This record gives sequence, structure tokens and C-alpha cells, in this order.
Amino acid sequence: GAGVSQSPSNKVTEKGKDVELRCDPISGHTALYWYRQSLGQGLEFLIYFQGNSAPDKSGLPSDRFSAERTGGSVSTLTIQRTQQEDSAVYLCASSYSRSGLVVQHFGDGTRLSIL
Amino acid sequence: ILNVEQSPQSLHVQEGDSTNFTCSFPSSNFYALHWYRWETAKSPEALFVMTLNGDEKKKGRISATLNTKEGYSYLYIKGSQPEDSATYLCALNYGGSQGNLIFGKGTKLSVKP
Repeated sequence: GAGVSQSPSNKVTEKGKDVELRCDPISGHTALYWYRQSLGQGLEFLIYFQGNSAPDKSGLPSDRFSAERTGGSVSTLTIQRTQQEDSAVYLCASSYSRSGLVVQHFGDGTRLSIL
Repeated sequence: ILNVEQSPQSLHVQEGDSTNFTCSFPSSNFYALHWYRWETAKSPEALFVMTLNGDEKKKGRISATLNTKEGYSYLYIKGSQPEDSATYLCALNYGGSQGNLIFGKGTKLSVKP
């Protein structure tokens, strides 16, 4: 498709389980971002990938969170041993560069609920 | 910690009303400011990217202004329509060309027919 694709759109899981969220960016976009929005909060930066460079992981809230970007395209965000505070909407965005002037294109998000 | 503040948190207007809301941010290290529109169950959609003090941008009935010296941006909607109902997010790029975006919590606009 033409836009950023995320799956699943909704995920409900029990506390303590691991979850994987997938993001398929716009073809040709080298920059990929993960954000999350918890209830009542703004969008929180999690991690950023640019080409073959080392990712910027400065926003990951704990070592239970990790992300990969294979082949410079699809990215997976993994949350291990989920906690209730991980419940949020997880958004992926891509852009053709990291420049602060460049628009980021967002996916529809994954709504994660931890029971 | 850099903070991007948006006000009001929510806004209810009647169809046809004009409205505006505010994004406030630290003026130091400013590089660019983005406005996004986020409808429920959809992806955030970019509205404007603004960089220069005094910048004004317009897209249909929506316009935005930027004051980098005092650290604020206004978003205006003229003649609100029900389809304008969404959360409007502003995001600050503070770290130069390679910085990350810091998002505000958004202003949730509801337009009643």
C-alpha cells in the first residue's frame, strides 16, 4: 500500500506475556520512528532507525522494550513481560530523512491493552 | 526537560464557529514546529511545518502562525465543520536538523452540527 502499515490494529494480552508489534513503512523511506500514546499523555518518542546507522534508543522506557528493523524496511517492536502501564496506542512513522523539516507519515497505530 | 504545552485540552464548538488553540514551547534551541491532525481510529496527518519567526501557513480553512521569540504557535480554524473534529497535535523539533520531535498532549476539538 501507499501508506505506513501497522499490525495488529488491536492487541489484548495478559500481564506478563510478550508482544510483537509490526510496522511496514512507506517504500523508500529510510527513517522509521516508534511512538506511544498512553491515556492522557502526549505522543512519546521510543526509538528511531535511519538506514544502516545504530538506532536511537533514547526513548525506550525500560529494557523490556526492544525493536529491530530488518533489511532497512519492516520494523518490529517487542515488549517482554508486559505490564499494565504498557497499555497504550503504539504508532509507527516513517520519513525519507531525519531532517526536522520533513513530515513524518504515521500508521494507524496498534492499540495495546494489558489485562 | 523540554515541554510542549497545548491549550485548551479540549474544545467544543458549534458548526460555523471559528476557533483557535495554542502551542507553547521553550524558545531556546528552536528548529522547527509541526502541526498534525489526528482523527479517531486514523493516523495523524501532517498539517504544517513551520520554521521562521512570523511564519504564517494556510491550508483551506486552517491556518497557523509562529512566534519563535516568545515560544508559541496558534492554530486557527475558520467556520468549523463537524469533519474538523479531531485532536490537533503540535510537535517541536529542538535539536537541529537531526533532532527528535517532542509532542504536546494535543487539543481535542469537537464540532457539533
